[in-house]
Amino acid sequence: EAQVTQNPRYLITVTGKKLTVTCSQNMNHEYMSWYRQDPGLGLRQIYYSMNVEVTDKGDVPEGYKVSRKEKRNFPLILESPSPNQTSLYFCASSFGQAGETQYFGPGTRLLVL
Amino acid sequence: AQTVTQSQPEMSVQEAETVTLSCTYDTSESDYYLFWYKQPPSRQMILVIRQEAYKQQNATENRFSVNFQKAAKSFSLKISDSQLGDAAMYFCAYMWGAQKLVFGQGTRLTINP
Repeated sequence: EAQVTQNPRYLITVTGKKLTVTCSQNMNHEYMSWYRQDPGLGLRQIYYSMNVEVTDKGDVPEGYKVSRKEKRNFPLILESPSPNQTSLYFCASSFGQAGETQYFGPGTRLLVL
Repeated sequence: AQTVTQSQPEMSVQEAETVTLSCTYDTSESDYYLFWYKQPPSRQMILVIRQEAYKQQNATENRFSVNFQKAAKSFSLKISDSQLGDAAMYFCAYMWGAQKLVFGQGTRLTINP
């Protein structure tokens, strides 16, 4: 089944404790992206990757890191999480052509205490 | 900067009736794409409908259709014969270039039985 998976789905952590949210897709997509969803703000892009080893900042990159060492994986790293990073996070992927639909993972709900 | 505005934070409709969700966007681009995504309580982001800006014809998908007014920069979603399963958060999104996707704030739709 073609899909985007994320792990974990739920995470509670404390301020400053490094964490990684994994994202994997099995559709051979070149493009991958991370979004965060906050009430009243919709989804905002954190980072994206056009292909392996090619990443760039989105609209809200502060406090996050990403890497793209393999085509199928695009982990999101919070090296020192803070409470303002409490949010719902989505990974998405596509073949990267203009206008192409992005396919979303199931989301990861993160609470930083 | 490209922005997307959904002016209705919440909407409700009686089952079997028709409801229209509003979306406006701001852009100086001539070539772009518009999307409506549905987010049910499961939090999964599900594509509802997609529209290419260069097409005059409004997109339709079964009970879902759009009213795309390019000059007015308006992209509303009409849901006909509303069903209980249509209850969700709906996000309007605008895409330009290679996959740059910007979302509106969302509209929560309630279906009353």
